[in-house]
Amino acid sequence: SAVISQKPSRDICQRGTSLTIQCQVDSQVTMMFWYRQQPGQSLTLIATANQGSEATYESGFVIDKFPISRPNLTFSTLTVSNMSPEDSSIYLCSADRGNEAFFGQGTRLTVV
Amino acid sequence: KQEVTQIPAALSVPEGENLVLNCSFTDSAIYNLQWFRQDPGKGLTSLLLIQSSQREQTSGRLNASLDKSSGRSTLYIAASQPGDSATYLCAVRPSNTGNQFYFGTGTSLTVIP
Repeated sequence: SAVISQKPSRDICQRGTSLTIQCQVDSQVTMMFWYRQQPGQSLTLIATANQGSEATYESGFVIDKFPISRPNLTFSTLTVSNMSPEDSSIYLCSADRGNEAFFGQGTRLTVV
Repeated sequence: KQEVTQIPAALSVPEGENLVLNCSFTDSAIYNLQWFRQDPGKGLTSLLLIQSSQREQTSGRLNASLDKSSGRSTLYIAASQPGDSATYLCAVRPSNTGNQFYFGTGTSLTVIP
């Protein structure tokens, strides 16, 4: 199975600030995915990140709010910008190995 | 758009019982289906992956089945243990929209010692 290291595991942030979440995969992957899981709900895809090109965002998510970097084939970051309490969620990164998806440990974000 | 539903939303069983978790999806044109486990506040752990051409997959005490034509999958857990307590999510990857998953809302399982 693939190993995906995600950090931080949790953070409490002031509204109006930004948080950058990092994900490191133990092998090269073409695409990495960022999901949000709001309290009591299932996962929603934020964007797909390909190395060397801009991320592709899903409906309802914009680059200004969730900028993503993908500098190489093993690493990606997601920034949650100008945070409000509504951004309090678990954020997860994911990558595929073969046909199987693997996830990082998640980042539990609380905005106060 | 694919809709994925999981029933029941929550389940509580005594230790040792066998149990079945259900997942249904609206569009049978899927590439694969994957079952995950999520512990509170944590990421997802992959349990079983079923390709669209397969009927079932087994790993230890877990068995997952897939009936594409009826839009259903089940996860069977044999001889449940307290350590099985977690939320179980099924996710469907459609065959025609790249690599995006559509997730169910999950079943929260509690195994009582």
